[in-house]
Amino acid sequence: GAVVSQHPSRVICKSGTSVKIECRSLDFQATTMFWYRQFPKQSLMLMATSNEGSKATYEQGVEKDKFLINHASLTLSTLTVTSAHPEDSSFYICSTGGGHTDTQYFGPGTRLTVL
Amino acid sequence: QKEVEQNSGPLSVPEGAIASLNCTYSDRGSQSFFWYRQYSGKSPELIMSIYSNGDKEDGRFTAQLNKASQYVSLLIRDSQPSDSATYLCAGKGGSGNTGKLIFGQGTTLQVKP
Repeated sequence: GAVVSQHPSRVICKSGTSVKIECRSLDFQATTMFWYRQFPKQSLMLMATSNEGSKATYEQGVEKDKFLINHASLTLSTLTVTSAHPEDSSFYICSTGGGHTDTQYFGPGTRLTVL
Repeated sequence: QKEVEQNSGPLSVPEGAIASLNCTYSDRGSQSFFWYRQYSGKSPELIMSIYSNGDKEDGRFTAQLNKASQYVSLLIRDSQPSDSATYLCAGKGGSGNTGKLIFGQGTTLQVKP
């Protein structure tokens, strides 16, 4: 399956700062990537679908101005959490897939803690 | 009504037994189904995908799909303590065919030595 990396794996930041998370598809040209968030003991929640070269599609209830997504190349999508607050503390996971590739493969995730 | 439903468990089985994990879905248009395993603090990893009615086997794992009953299951034979994890069922290709995965809430499996 596809190999997906994320950076950083863990980040702690102060309230009000912005945090950028990178998702890279290492062996597959991903026209589509997905961003999920997972709170403790809950299932994955899809935040947005990232499309290479175009705007991301956000799920209902997800603030597009707070969670900025950029998919500038076929191997890299970034998620920026702007003006982070403690309630944004979560496990953020990206995946590749969509289009002709039916299966989604997940990155290792980024654990964000906002103090 | 949730689109993909799983019993959250925990499902507890003794080592060596068969663990049976079940999942139902509401969108008859769903075409593809996936089972992911997620260890605590880690991201999901793909175990199996299934697209056609019937059984699909891969090592100790067997996925079963019954589209008429809108039912997907995962059997784990010879369960090991290392199989203890949360198992996520996901469906794809339903209404709108957006390519998004719809996840169930996951079933926690505990395999006791």
